[in-house]
Amino acid sequence: QQQVKQSPQSLIVQKGGIPIINCAYENTAFDYFPWYQQFPGKGPALLIAIRPDVSEKKEGRFTISFNKSAKQFSLHIMDSQPGDSATYFCAAMSSGYALNFGKGTSLLVTP
Amino acid sequence: DARVTQTPRHKVTEMGQEVTMRCQPILGHNTVFWYRQTMMQGLELLAYFRNRAPLDDSGMPKDRFSAEMPDATLATLKIQPSEPRDSAVYFCASGSWGPDTQYFGPGTRLTVL
Repeated sequence: QQQVKQSPQSLIVQKGGIPIINCAYENTAFDYFPWYQQFPGKGPALLIAIRPDVSEKKEGRFTISFNKSAKQFSLHIMDSQPGDSATYFCAAMSSGYALNFGKGTSLLVTP
Repeated sequence: DARVTQTPRHKVTEMGQEVTMRCQPILGHNTVFWYRQTMMQGLELLAYFRNRAPLDDSGMPKDRFSAEMPDATLATLKIQPSEPRDSAVYFCASGSWGPDTQYFGPGTRLTVL
């Protein structure tokens, strides 16, 4: 059973565009929501993470929006660049336990 | 620059052979995770340890997979006997309970012929 649902599966945007990736979860015990970025041949790397006590978090060009009541969270990439082309995974966990990953979104940013 | 290391990076073997993958977690991290990544299933948790004790291995096929932490600097994942359906990239990640951040290694790409 997929505990975190992620969409879209793939996304193509032009340079400077704002790709948005969405995730939804069911387990209200989840209290940590990270996003990971993965380049081909590499392991996932933590990009940004949020806890449910805040509705938004920004780090550079990356923003997480979190809606606790809807049990949804999303990643926005401002001023996207070709170097942002990668696969992005959302995840959720209860503190001290293991990550539950979404299926991933393959992002292509065209020049 | 502390990082998780995994060996081997690539492994090609024949069905029925034993495969051992190794992971060195970041020094000081007390939690180690094993994940498997395939196109169809994405990233799946196989097992994880805290302070070298197994906490959850429900994601592993018990009849052929085993995971251990002989000491705090080494985690191993064994498959015996291997099958073609085990072909995947296996990731090790480590972290500290509290911050919750998990740091992934570069993975072992396993191909079982």
